[in-house]
Amino acid sequence: DVKVTQSSRYLVKRTGEKVFLECVQDMDHENMFWYRQDPGLGLRLIYFSYDVKMKEKGDIPEGYSVSREKKERFSLILESASTNQTSMYLCASSLLPSGGAGNEQFFGPGTRLTVL
Amino acid sequence: GQSLEQPSEVTAVEGAIVQINCTYQTSGFYGLSWYQQHDGGAPTFLSYNALDGLEETGRFSSFLSRSDSYGYLLLQELQMKDSASYFCAVPGGSQGNLIFGKGTKLSVKP
Repeated sequence: DVKVTQSSRYLVKRTGEKVFLECVQDMDHENMFWYRQDPGLGLRLIYFSYDVKMKEKGDIPEGYSVSREKKERFSLILESASTNQTSMYLCASSLLPSGGAGNEQFFGPGTRLTVL
Repeated sequence: GQSLEQPSEVTAVEGAIVQINCTYQTSGFYGLSWYQQHDGGAPTFLSYNALDGLEETGRFSSFLSRSDSYGYLLLQELQMKDSASYFCAVPGGSQGNLIFGKGTKLSVKP
């Protein structure tokens, strides 16, 4: 079974802190994704990566950056956390690089980040 | 751009049938997916339709009409454990990212 793990289930940080959220997948998937989920807004894509050291902006990249130094690991970085970044952050991975039956995404359990 | 519309909430009783609709607007179309998410849990993949018609997987079925830019998820013999949010999604481009609808919260009552 595919397993996607995230470094923390709950995280509390202060405004202005630099925050690292880590995600690891164990199935050699090409693609990895970071979403944030807020009530009434669904899942919004922050960044995704289709290969090591490659990244693409999603719909809401402002205030975030990412790093993918190894295929299995995709990190989300909040350079200077703000209260409006309080949210649930979900990491996902998928096998194939293009749309199709194999583009099923496997999600991690999520990190609930609170910025005070 | 791409967008998806689905109802925000649906309520049904145990044993009933419920249909969750999804309409989409995309610049290119590669298929419609459905995901389920229980409160506090991670989204999990339910189904994928690339071609018109009905795909059945146990109590769940998914339908697609590409000419109408419309699909639905059909849940039969509803159980309490089906209470969850359901998201439709379309590929955002050629790189494998997905665009999700805002989700439909299904409440199953006894």
